[in-house]
Amino acid sequence: KQEVTQIPAALSVPEGENLVLNCSFTDSAIYNLQWFRQDPGKGLTSLLLIQSSQREQTSGRLNASLDKSSGRSTLYIAASQPGDSATYLCAADQTGANNLFFGTGTRLTVIP
Amino acid sequence: DVKVTQSSRYLVKRTGEKVFLECVQDMDHENMFWYRQDPGLGLRLIYFSYDVKMKEKGDIPEGYSVSREKKERFSLILESASTNQTSMYLCASSEGVNTIYFGEGSWLTVV
Repeated sequence: KQEVTQIPAALSVPEGENLVLNCSFTDSAIYNLQWFRQDPGKGLTSLLLIQSSQREQTSGRLNASLDKSSGRSTLYIAASQPGDSATYLCAADQTGANNLFFGTGTRLTVIP
Repeated sequence: DVKVTQSSRYLVKRTGEKVFLECVQDMDHENMFWYRQDPGLGLRLIYFSYDVKMKEKGDIPEGYSVSREKKERFSLILESASTNQTSMYLCASSEGVNTIYFGEGSWLTVV
């Protein structure tokens, strides 16, 4: 069964820093890898989806990479802002039907 | 604008009660999902559905059932609520392999 791990569980950075969030998965036979954002007490918002055939995806200040062979994905956030403070979750899709296995998330705090 | 609506945001129920959590999406999506989210355990899939009247078990279906009589509505049912079902429940929908959309969540406390 797929297991997804995110380390660290929490991260604090000063505003303006670039940062990297890590995600690892045990079964490399994935269809895609997805990154989400969750604000306290809210649902999840999709940020980026990387197909298994892709190496990276970019959206604004966010860049996600995928290395299937090593079972790793990273989410790079450039020039962090206080509004980026949230929990970031990654999820592996095994089937291509959004049947997702989630990590437990990294809680990011950007300090003004 | 895309919308997944969970009608009950906060519920408190007694042990043994039958509980219904309702979810409606307005995007004509085929796929709908129910997850629960617990601290330290992350999101775990309870049930999902790829079409009306279809349902598939996820990772933790025990103690739950679902109903999908109409395409836009996916209900999660706790037949006899127990304290270990206290959790945040998240509904989601998607069309094929495209972006998945989540509702705001339903916080259920069973006392």
